[in-house]
Amino acid sequence: SQKIEQNSEALNIQEGKTATLTCNYTNYSPAYLQWYRQDPGRGPVFLLLIRENEKEKRKERLKVTFDTTLKQSLFHITASQPADSATYLCALEAGGYQKVTFGTGTKLQVIP
Amino acid sequence: SQTIHQWPATLVQPVGSPLSLECTVEGTSNPNLYWYRQAAGRGLQLLFYSVGIGQISSEVPQNLSASRPQDRQFILSSKKLLLSDSGFYLCAWSAQGVGPQHFGDGTRLSIL
Repeated sequence: SQKIEQNSEALNIQEGKTATLTCNYTNYSPAYLQWYRQDPGRGPVFLLLIRENEKEKRKERLKVTFDTTLKQSLFHITASQPADSATYLCALEAGGYQKVTFGTGTKLQVIP
Repeated sequence: SQTIHQWPATLVQPVGSPLSLECTVEGTSNPNLYWYRQAAGRGLQLLFYSVGIGQISSEVPQNLSASRPQDRQFILSSKKLLLSDSGFYLCAWSAQGVGPQHFGDGTRLSIL
């Protein structure tokens, strides 16, 4: 069956360090993958999109990698700040009309 | 710029009562529209999506229904709510083609 796995345990990291979040998937062949940020009680906010033929994408302090052989995406936040504390969701293209399937997310806590 | 409005923010309903949640998008035309539900500690579950007026695709069989009476209006309904319908309901839109989904702030629905 299709599965998207994100570390369900919270990730605690010291301010200034690089946070790395993992998204693994099975039985998908996504044309693209997205990362979103979700704050408590709010809707997710889009961060980055990476296509299957792209290895890496950057936006300011954010970097996403996409390895279709390993079926894995890594999401990095460099020089992390307490304001980066949130839940981060990966989402895989799931066929037509921009349908995506979301992982359950990883909660990141940046400690001052 | 594009905006998405979703209301109400919170709703408490008795079991067996009807439901109507509304979502409207401004600043864009012919968007794809989506309804998701997020249970506590769970990922986003796609309930319905729509690629045009009157066109609704259901992803999960349940006692919910969706309608799109206008290009930028998406309504989630139920004739009789169940306890299991409790959750955080999110509306989202995306433009045609590969790209992000943009979410509203959600409705927290509690069934008593």
